[in-house]
Amino acid sequence: EAAVTQSPRNKVAVTGGKVTLSCNQTNNHNNMYWYRQDTGHGLRLIHYSYGAGSTEKGDIPDGYKASRPSQENFSLILELATPSQTSVYFCASGDGGGDSDYTFGSGTRLLVI
Amino acid sequence: GEKVEQHESTLSVREGDSAVINCTYTDTASSYFPWYKQEAGKSLHFVIDIRSNVDRKQSQRLIVLLDKKAKRFSLHITATQPEDSAIYFCAASRNRIFFGDGTQLVVKP
Repeated sequence: EAAVTQSPRNKVAVTGGKVTLSCNQTNNHNNMYWYRQDTGHGLRLIHYSYGAGSTEKGDIPDGYKASRPSQENFSLILELATPSQTSVYFCASGDGGGDSDYTFGSGTRLLVI
Repeated sequence: GEKVEQHESTLSVREGDSAVINCTYTDTASSYFPWYKQEAGKSLHFVIDIRSNVDRKQSQRLIVLLDKKAKRFSLHITATQPEDSAIYFCAASRNRIFFGDGTQLVVKP
């Protein structure tokens, strides 16, 4: 069954440390997305990708980098983690074109202390 | 860019009643409107969508209405059940999906 898998499920990081969140999809979708979800803010788009080698800035990219080394994998990188980046992060994949839904991963709960 | 507003942040209904969640959007070029459900502690999953070439779509107890002139769309859940309790996100898409902030639906027995 096609799916989006995120790892880790939970992560505790120290302020100033580097954090990498990983996402793998077996949907053969071109597009992949990273969101964060905070109470009162809904889903906010951080970075997205149209395919291998492509990364684009979303609505709140500051403090985050992204990497898309292959069709299947899309990583979100926090080079210098801060407590304000404590959140739940969701990865999603989609066909693109603006007329199809996204498939979401199960999320990564990140705590930066 | 597109902005999607969900008018109800919380909604409480009695089991068996209908629930209605209303959303508006700003970009007249948006042509695809999906809805997602997020149960407590879980991820989002797709529940129903509507495209701009129709104004009504039904899937079992879910009905979506679209008013393009008013740039308004809504999700109607009929005969609600406790398992309908969740956060529901409306969304609008032109080149990518823009989400509303979510509506917490509570179905009371």
